[in-house]
Amino acid sequence: EAQVTQNPRYLITVTGKKLTVTCSQNMNHEYMSWYRQDPGLGLRQIYYSMNVEVTDKGDVPEGYKVSRKEKRNFPLILESPSPNQTSLYFCASSGKRQGATFTGELFFGEGSRLTVL
Amino acid sequence: DAKTTQPNSMESNEEEPVHLPCNHSTISGTDYIHWYRQLPSQGPEYVIHGLTSNVNNRMASLAIAEDRKSSTLILHRATLRDAAVYYCILRDPLYSGGGADGLTFGKGTHLIIQP
Repeated sequence: EAQVTQNPRYLITVTGKKLTVTCSQNMNHEYMSWYRQDPGLGLRQIYYSMNVEVTDKGDVPEGYKVSRKEKRNFPLILESPSPNQTSLYFCASSGKRQGATFTGELFFGEGSRLTVL
Repeated sequence: DAKTTQPNSMESNEEEPVHLPCNHSTISGTDYIHWYRQLPSQGPEYVIHGLTSNVNNRMASLAIAEDRKSSTLILHRATLRDAAVYYCILRDPLYSGGGADGLTFGKGTHLIIQP
């Protein structure tokens, strides 16, 4: 089954304790992206990756890191989490292109709810 | 960014058609119209997209006005499983700004389905 898998789905942690949220897709997609969703603010993009070893900042990258060493994996790293990073996080991927650009048909994971105390 | 306007919420009855409107009066000639939905406790799910012509797929139909300033997502026979937040998004495939997917999710329309 084609899917985007995130782990953990739920996590409570404390300020400053490094954590990683993993994201894996089994569709051989080139494009992957991380979003956070907060009440009243909608979904905001954190980082994205056009392909292996190619990553770029989205709209709200502060406090986050990513890496894309393999095509299927795109982990989100919080080096020193703070309470304002309490949020619902979604990973997404896409492999569909119109010429040189992606079509905007994204597959999303089920989300990871993170609480930083 | 070209913006969309959607009603905050809509109600419909099960097994009836649902027409979800979206206004986008500032749409540019290269903007595609995308629809996503988000079921409770799940990630957003792609529904459909189009440029100028009406589009159909297994999930829904997209009717686009001739002047492209508005569009309507049509669910032909709503079920309880269609209760979700529906997002209408304009996307320029040549977008080179803060995100290569160029999708900006607004607040969407909360669709309530009554049994």
